[in-house]
Amino acid sequence: EDKVVQSPLSLVVHEGDTVTLNCSYEVTNFRSLLWYKQEKKAPTFLFMLTSSGIEKKSGRLSSILDKKELFSILNITATQTGDSAVYLCAVDSNTGNQFYFGTGTSLTVIP
Amino acid sequence: DGGITQSPKYLFRKEGQNVTLSCEQNLNHDAMYWYRQDPGQGLRLIYYSQIVNDFQKGDIAEGYSVSREKKESFPLTVTSAQKNPTAFYLCASDYNTGELFFGEGSRLTVL
Repeated sequence: EDKVVQSPLSLVVHEGDTVTLNCSYEVTNFRSLLWYKQEKKAPTFLFMLTSSGIEKKSGRLSSILDKKELFSILNITATQTGDSAVYLCAVDSNTGNQFYFGTGTSLTVIP
Repeated sequence: DGGITQSPKYLFRKEGQNVTLSCEQNLNHDAMYWYRQDPGQGLRLIYYSQIVNDFQKGDIAEGYSVSREKKESFPLTVTSAQKNPTAFYLCASDYNTGELFFGEGSRLTVL
């Protein structure tokens, strides 16, 4: 059965801390792994990863994929209260155009 | 501006009533999706459509129905057969690039 597992389920940190969010997957016909940030309503796109070992960066956020070990991490450095959100990991499968989502990690950054 | 519009944002329904959630996109995307989001369960796929006049069941299609008469529109009907319909519903679309674009969501509450 295809699945995506995220950990931890929730996390509370202080401003300025660095956090690492994890995403492991077992999905047939893997095409890409995506990270989204969901604050209130619509998830917004952060990264798409298709190749192992190539880090993608956007400001204080970065992500990397390991296709051998079937996982990805999302790093956020120097966290700010605006980083508080649910972070979703999804895997795009070539099978039936399916996206498989994890349960998300709820991040709370306190001043 | 291009995007996905969902309506209504909030909806209350009495038990036994059918309700239809609207999803319209002007991104010229072929594929469209409906997800249900419950606390602690991430996004679960209800239905998806890759082309006009064609759609497939997702993981939790029971009690739901859809249509895809136009490329831009993918309405979801929550029928009285859905035993636990109170949830947050997200519509998304994709141009086969692997990146999902989401609407703002519709929150359905059954009284």
